[in-house]
Amino acid sequence: DTQMTQSPSSLSASVGDRVTITCRASQGISNYFAWYQQKPGKVPKLLIYAASTLQSGVPSRFSGSGSGTDFTLTISSLQPEDAATYYCQKYNSAPYTFGQGTKLEIK
Amino acid sequence: EVQLLESGGGLVQPGWSLRLSCAASGFTFSSYAMSWVRQAPGKGLEWLSSISGSGSSTYYADSVKGRLTISRDNSKNTLYLQMNNLRLEDTAVYHCVKGVRAPAPIDFWGQGTLVTVSS
Repeated sequence: DTQMTQSPSSLSASVGDRVTITCRASQGISNYFAWYQQKPGKVPKLLIYAASTLQSGVPSRFSGSGSGTDFTLTISSLQPEDAATYYCQKYNSAPYTFGQGTKLEIK
Repeated sequence: EVQLLESGGGLVQPGWSLRLSCAASGFTFSSYAMSWVRQAPGKGLEWLSSISGSGSSTYYADSVKGRLTISRDNSKNTLYLQMNNLRLEDTAVYHCVKGVRAPAPIDFWGQGTLVTVSS
């Protein structure tokens, strides 16, 4: 089965910073790849799908890139409301594995 | 408006069984794959199982294969998860989700139902 490895597992950044989170698949998954945001006490929310397509309503400071095995989530200018845990997921075929998550804190 | 309402969680002892239900509304239920995802306290997301729109295809994580059975009743717009031989490590919030199957990700999450396995 394909493993999904996120890095870093946690990070702390300041408002206005550019933040990058990466996810690596152990095998190629084309662009069947999504990013989710989960704020404390809330259910996850779809941010990006097809590796780089922004879900409707998601602020444009979020962007995704990559294909095959290496994927990146970028927040161009960090805002206080972006404090959350971010998860990646493959959905090319089952098992639809999630990454272990990246906890983003605001300094 | 899409709504997913889970029910059936609770406190059970190891070895017991439980059936979770998820009532869906606001979309054409039979047209979409549906799945169950769980999150143990303080832990990450774990995909468990998915079922195609027709119900003809099912998929399971290796960690739960043989103990969990996913099913759906499209006439009732309801998704089910039968969980047998529950273990302490099955303690989690179980979310019913719309999706996932290529080319569609999970695009809506239910609030979840808490399953606690304790002796």
